Amino acid sequence: GAGVSQSPSNKVTEKGKDVELRCDPISGHTALYWYRQSLGQGLEFLIYFQGNSAPDKSGLPSDRFSAERTGGSVSTLTIQRTQQEDSAVYLCASSLLLGLSYNEQFFGPGTRLTVL
Amino acid sequence: AQTVTQSQPEMSVQEAETVTLSCTYDTSESDYYLFWYKQPPSRQMILVIRQEAYKQQNATENRFSVNFQKAAKSFSLKISDSQLGDAAMYFCAYRSTGTASKLTFGTGTRLQVTL
Repeated sequence: GAGVSQSPSNKVTEKGKDVELRCDPISGHTALYWYRQSLGQGLEFLIYFQGNSAPDKSGLPSDRFSAERTGGSVSTLTIQRTQQEDSAVYLCASSLLLGLSYNEQFFGPGTRLTVL
Repeated sequence: AQTVTQSQPEMSVQEAETVTLSCTYDTSESDYYLFWYKQPPSRQMILVIRQEAYKQQNATENRFSVNFQKAAKSFSLKISDSQLGDAAMYFCAYRSTGTASKLTFGTGTRLQVTL
């Protein structure tokens, strides 16, 4: 079956430009997460969407970052006025939300963003 | 807030040998999950093994096993009979219980497997 997909795979942009990164979760998964992986660092939580609840935006590093999830499926992470420190791999994950406490997060292949 | 520490940036092991990757964490919670993820050059994170904190028995998945020391807040990964395909970045991660909780990751250990 299809896993989590992300596009583009790689994105190069100039400082100050806006970028949009897309995530297609596994069909039927109601939770969706965005993480950022900077060079030499672990993954850093950015935001997650849980069903119809308000998203948890506690990990977004600045107001230049925003995300939306339309129709409970596809999500777009937008970075406005990109800075060089935004260069990183952006990973998306999705999971089911069952009545169980444990729900495995399945990751996409990520988008490598390079800001020149 | 929870933190996860991996103190070994790089490790090397010979094919067919055993290697142990270290991880420590800090939390005030009594129940939680711990994970080891593998990230090959393709960047896709792959779940290797998970451990529920309420279980005393160490998790095992084929050649992969953990040594979970709850009191010491230690969670190491042992890879037995190492294979060339095991070469990757390995991340230790923590998750609170709850239906949708974020993962908190360590900085990773790069594992090299040599002939």
